[in-house]
Amino acid sequence: RKEVEQDPGPFNVPEGATVAFNCTYSNSASQSFFWYRQDCRKEPKLLMSVYSSGNEDGRFTAQLNRASQYISLLIRDSKLSDSATYLCVVNMFGNYGQNFVFGPGTRLSVLP
Amino acid sequence: TAGITQAPTSQILAAGRSMTLRCTQDMRHNAMYWYRQDLGLGLRLIHYSNTAGTTGKGEVPDGYSVSRANTDDFPLTLASAVPSQTSVYFCASSDRPNTEAFFGQGTRLTVV
Repeated sequence: RKEVEQDPGPFNVPEGATVAFNCTYSNSASQSFFWYRQDCRKEPKLLMSVYSSGNEDGRFTAQLNRASQYISLLIRDSKLSDSATYLCVVNMFGNYGQNFVFGPGTRLSVLP
Repeated sequence: TAGITQAPTSQILAAGRSMTLRCTQDMRHNAMYWYRQDLGLGLRLIHYSNTAGTTGKGEVPDGYSVSRANTDDFPLTLASAVPSQTSVYFCASSDRPNTEAFFGQGTRLTVV
């Protein structure tokens, strides 16, 4: 089983739609959680950190459920510019010291 | 602020040749990482360094070596390149445990 799993998509949604991405992780000792955005052929960039209490940044809402080892990202009122791959990232102390483990990414296409 | 810089941005390399991918950060981050990203496999950790003077092996270290002589630089060396090392390589850094990682713009390497 992979340490971080995501639905690879693609998710094709119309502008203005609400879309939700899910992520599960296997290491219960994982310590911090993030969503990154990656545009085609570019480096990943931090979208938002994810806290146990849930957090919101404009149209984006992230939730963490430690008991279920589950992370989510909700995007409201989708824009064309939201089209990208969204990476679920977990920081854990595991086989390779303290490092970041990436999910495979979920591809989103927002259509006009 | 430059952040984290990688060089070169792309390279075509003959099999059997050696090459060093450069990574420099100006944020004084303690931890640095090298990942490779391949279609369908996501980002996989090659080597990491928690602090200057220390390095560790990641998930896919074979055929690669690193050094961390100072805080700012974390070069990745391929001693004798093989076609399976064709990939996009990302260098990243983070400040403290559990804080986000920042990425360089990537090096696209093709081994022929």
